[in-house]
Amino acid sequence: GDSVTQTEGPVTVSESESLIINCTYSATSIAYPNLFWYVRYPGEGLQLLLKVITAGQKGSSRGFEATYNKETTSFHLQKASVQESDSAVYYCALGETGFASALTFGSGTKVIPCLP
Amino acid sequence: SVLLYQKPNRDICQSGTSLKIQCVADSQVVSMFWYQQFQEQSLMLMATANEGSEATYESGFTKDKFPISRPNLTFSTLTVNNARPGDSSIYFCSSSGTGYAEQFFGPGTRLTVL
Repeated sequence: GDSVTQTEGPVTVSESESLIINCTYSATSIAYPNLFWYVRYPGEGLQLLLKVITAGQKGSSRGFEATYNKETTSFHLQKASVQESDSAVYYCALGETGFASALTFGSGTKVIPCLP
Repeated sequence: SVLLYQKPNRDICQSGTSLKIQCVADSQVVSMFWYQQFQEQSLMLMATANEGSEATYESGFTKDKFPISRPNLTFSTLTVNNARPGDSSIYFCSSSGTGYAEQFFGPGTRLTVL
């Protein structure tokens, strides 16, 4: 079956420092999966952070970006300068090509910004 | 996008009882999905529910334990039968709107079984 592996948390990062959360996927039944990053802020629901549905493309939102790399089957999430407001749990997920489908999620990575 | 509401937000029940979780969408949607999430773990797909047909269950989930109804295009109910402490988790419903690749999620129902 399909699977998603991401950086184990929690990840503590100094404010204004860069962040990278690794995500790799295995899509045995899908040639070109849709890839997503979801985020859950404290006390809030699960919401889409960004998505990329075309291999080789980059998605960005709220200062975060991720590039769909089919060769390495990766979709790492990066941010150049982390802020306190980025405290959240981040989930990498994949779905079937071309239409809305159920998602396969990674286990989530909790990010904890701290004062430098 | 699609807004999804779940009721209740949280519930505490005794072992052996059954409880229902409702999911309502603010617009008509073709498929609704139910997920289970244990503490600090991944969201696991339980089943897919389409109107007018029986839900399709993923490995490890059965309709006897988790019956799902989908009576119309905006509503779905997940029942947890014979609840056990191992069922204590958060249950989410999700769906997508027309033309969206992503899923939109309800706020979740946190279940604690004593």
